[in-house]
Amino acid sequence: GAVVSQHPSWVICKSGTSVKIECRSLDFQATTMFWYRQFPKQSLMLMATSNEGSKATYEQGVEKDKFLINHASLTLSTLTVTSAHPEDSSFYICSARDRGDYLNEQFFGPGTRLTVL
Amino acid sequence: QKEVEQDPGPLSVPEGAIVSLNCTYSNSAFQYFMWYRQYSRKGPELLMYTYSSGNKEDGRFTAQVDKSSKYISLFIRDSQPSDSATYLCAMSAYSRGSTLGRLYFGRGTQLTVWP
Repeated sequence: GAVVSQHPSWVICKSGTSVKIECRSLDFQATTMFWYRQFPKQSLMLMATSNEGSKATYEQGVEKDKFLINHASLTLSTLTVTSAHPEDSSFYICSARDRGDYLNEQFFGPGTRLTVL
Repeated sequence: QKEVEQDPGPLSVPEGAIVSLNCTYSNSAFQYFMWYRQYSRKGPELLMYTYSSGNKEDGRFTAQVDKSSKYISLFIRDSQPSDSATYLCAMSAYSRGSTLGRLYFGRGTQLTVWP
């Protein structure tokens, strides 16, 4: 089946530093990747949609300059949280669409837990 | 009003019970309906996928969609402790150029099946 990985799975950083999270589709090509944020006992909130080779589309209320998204290849998208603050602590999950799947399902990664001290 | 409403629970049932999970929605454009299972500190995994109205069965799981009532359900028969997880409903409308548009998720229902 389609597998999506994320790295790191857990990261702790100091306030003011930047953190990069990678999302990879391991066995398929993903023209579109999605980044979600999930707070405890809350649902997934879409942050941005990332298309390979073009700029990401951000959801309303998500700061583009704070959450930098790069989708440089068909198998890799990165999310960089710049100048992280404690309120950015959350569970970040990516998903990817298989270009070859006619249903265009989204396959989710295992998530990255970010803790900002 | 949120696009998708889902009772967060928690829901606690004994092993072997039939579990019923539900979501309601407001956007009549939604045509694709999904149920995801999410274990603690893990990403969601797709359980069931249904297009438009009707029922779909897969082993112990049955998904139902009633578009006239804007109501979807997931039934789990003979529930097992391993079914303990958070169940998220998700739905989307048709989007030109791709079969599925963006997904709208419910809050998720936390289920515990005790032995």
